Amino acid sequence: AQRVTQPEKLLSVFKGAPVELKCNYSYSGSPELFWYVQYSRQRLQLLLRHISRESIKGFTADLNKGETSFHLKKPFAQEEDSAMYYCALSAGAGSYQLTFGKGTKLSVIP
Amino acid sequence: EPEVTQTPSHQVTQMGQEVILRCVPISNHLYFYWYRQILGQKVEFLVSFYNNEISEKSEIFDDQFSVERPDGSNFTLKIRSTKLEDSAMYFCASSRSLNTEAFFGQGTRLTVV
Repeated sequence: AQRVTQPEKLLSVFKGAPVELKCNYSYSGSPELFWYVQYSRQRLQLLLRHISRESIKGFTADLNKGETSFHLKKPFAQEEDSAMYYCALSAGAGSYQLTFGKGTKLSVIP
Repeated sequence: EPEVTQTPSHQVTQMGQEVILRCVPISNHLYFYWYRQILGQKVEFLVSFYNNEISEKSEIFDDQFSVERPDGSNFTLKIRSTKLEDSAMYFCASSRSLNTEAFFGQGTRLTVV
């Protein structure tokens, strides 16, 4: 069974401080991993996916298969980064059924 | 920028009543999805739909649920006889293909009383 765990419900950091949002997963195959973000009163939107290996809005995430983790990082937090962040997994291989974590609310303190 | 649109934004219904949630996916997208999020819980997959048929569904998507693409633009989720535990935010999403980004609607909050 697929599972995504985000251990922190809430993470508060000061502006300019580094951010790391943790995500661990369990899946027996080769999953695709995603980070979705939901800003206040806005819809869920894709932030990044591991196969793209991109940096979006200064965020990066590296898939660590040994630790089954896909932590989201940003070296310097901005106030506009305050949002709900969801880690999600797809089984890949023709499936786009996403399994989401519970989400972490990031609050950046000015 | 094209968006997935859901109506209504909030629906209140009595237990046992049928409810239809509506979605207009992005026009050139071929894959459609419904997810739900019970308050305080995870976003959960319900069903995916392609080529006028269900391609995947979860255990949550039982006989009380059905989906339809009645015309070229709408994608609906019907709950035949609502239960209190169906109260949740329901999200529609669409993607151009299986390997491209799914775009989410703003959600419909369903409250069953």
